[in-house]
Amino acid sequence: DTGVSQNPRHKITKRGQNVTFRCDPISEHNRLYWYRQTLGQGPEFLTYFQNEAQLEKSRLLSDRFSAERPKGSFSTLEIQRTEQGDSAMYLCAGDRGSSYNEQFFGPGTRLTVL
Amino acid sequence: AQTVTQSQPEMSVQEAETVTLSCTYDTSESDYYLFWYKQPPSRQMILVIRQEAYKQQNATENRFSVNFQKAAKSFSLKISDSQLGDAAMYFCAYRSPNKLVFGAGTILRVKS
Repeated sequence: DTGVSQNPRHKITKRGQNVTFRCDPISEHNRLYWYRQTLGQGPEFLTYFQNEAQLEKSRLLSDRFSAERPKGSFSTLEIQRTEQGDSAMYLCAGDRGSSYNEQFFGPGTRLTVL
Repeated sequence: AQTVTQSQPEMSVQEAETVTLSCTYDTSESDYYLFWYKQPPSRQMILVIRQEAYKQQNATENRFSVNFQKAAKSFSLKISDSQLGDAAMYFCAYRSPNKLVFGAGTILRVKS
């Protein structure tokens, strides 16, 4: 167990619905990252936060996606008007902000859009 | 943009034997960090080993070691004395600089 939790672990939704995922990182980790992993592929970067500030967003993060990290603690990732192509595992990770430091990953939220 | 390539979709190894997983990457930077992560089935991804590019000495962690060839942009992982618990998906990753860029992964199967 890495100490990072994500909820829910699984989410099944119908196309067009909105979904929200939550990540609770280790308390000392001032940086929090979101990745998306599709079947048989490596995780792809979506966005990251330094404390409560969102500092970088990937081109993968369309305007249907929004992420927040209020008070620099937990983070939420919302997908509006879900599409079948959004089906994937959504991973969050945290670290102390140094390039040397490992990122500690959560177990992920598996999203299935019907 | 940095890219990471893992050319072996799947590898098999006999228990107690040694296996090497390949990884190449592309970057124009001179200082960077490389990682190998392990993702067991339905479990969280965990760090196996890391390498700083400015260090010529190859990193080792118990049964895990790397062969880092900076000029060739190669970063392979060697697992010695393979155990059943080593069975997992292994990802090579490059730190760029605030995010990880992952390869597609190699599934490692360990035969008893």
